Amino acid sequence: SAVISQKPSRDICQRGTSLTIQCQVDSQVTMMFWYRQQPGQSLTLIATANQGSEATYESGFVIDKFPISRPNLTFSTLTVSNMSPEDSSIYLCSVVWGAGEKLFFGSGTQLSVL
Amino acid sequence: DQQVKQNSPSLSVQEGRISILNCDYTNSMFDYFLWYKKYPAEGPTFLISISSIKDKNEDGRFTVFLNKSAKHLSLHIVPSQPGDSAVYFCAASALVGGKLIFGQGTELSVKP
Repeated sequence: SAVISQKPSRDICQRGTSLTIQCQVDSQVTMMFWYRQQPGQSLTLIATANQGSEATYESGFVIDKFPISRPNLTFSTLTVSNMSPEDSSIYLCSVVWGAGEKLFFGSGTQLSVL
Repeated sequence: DQQVKQNSPSLSVQEGRISILNCDYTNSMFDYFLWYKKYPAEGPTFLISISSIKDKNEDGRFTVFLNKSAKHLSLHIVPSQPGDSAVYFCAASALVGGKLIFGQGTELSVKP
């Protein structure tokens, strides 16, 4: 399986600030995905990050709020901008890998916004 | 619109017994189904999958059953072990490698 390193693992942030989450994969992958899990909720896809092109955002998520970078085939960042308490969630980086193209996840970033 | 639903937020089972986790879906285009397990402070890990051409897939203690007519799948864990205590998510997609839609998760507690 792919090894996915995500940091920070957790953070407590003030309202109105921004946080950038980093995701590093040990192999080159075409697509990287960013998910959010709000408390007690399912995992929701925020956007798909392709190297060399703009990220594709899902309904309800916009680039101004969640800008994404994908500078190469092993790395991506997600920024949560102008945070509010409603952004308190677990943010997860993931990649499709291997036969059967299963989704593998990083360990997640637990974000709390005060 | 919740396309994948896990109606039981929690389940408690005695060690050695069978755990049955259920999942329902509404989109008839879903063709590929997966189960993930998540421990606290860790990302979800893939457990087992099934495509719509099958009605059963088995991997060791884990078996997934798919009933397409009922749009229902279930995960059976036999025998259950305390280390199985985690949150289990079912997920569905319209094709292999496609966008996954997740359920809300069921927290399984296996008691010694």
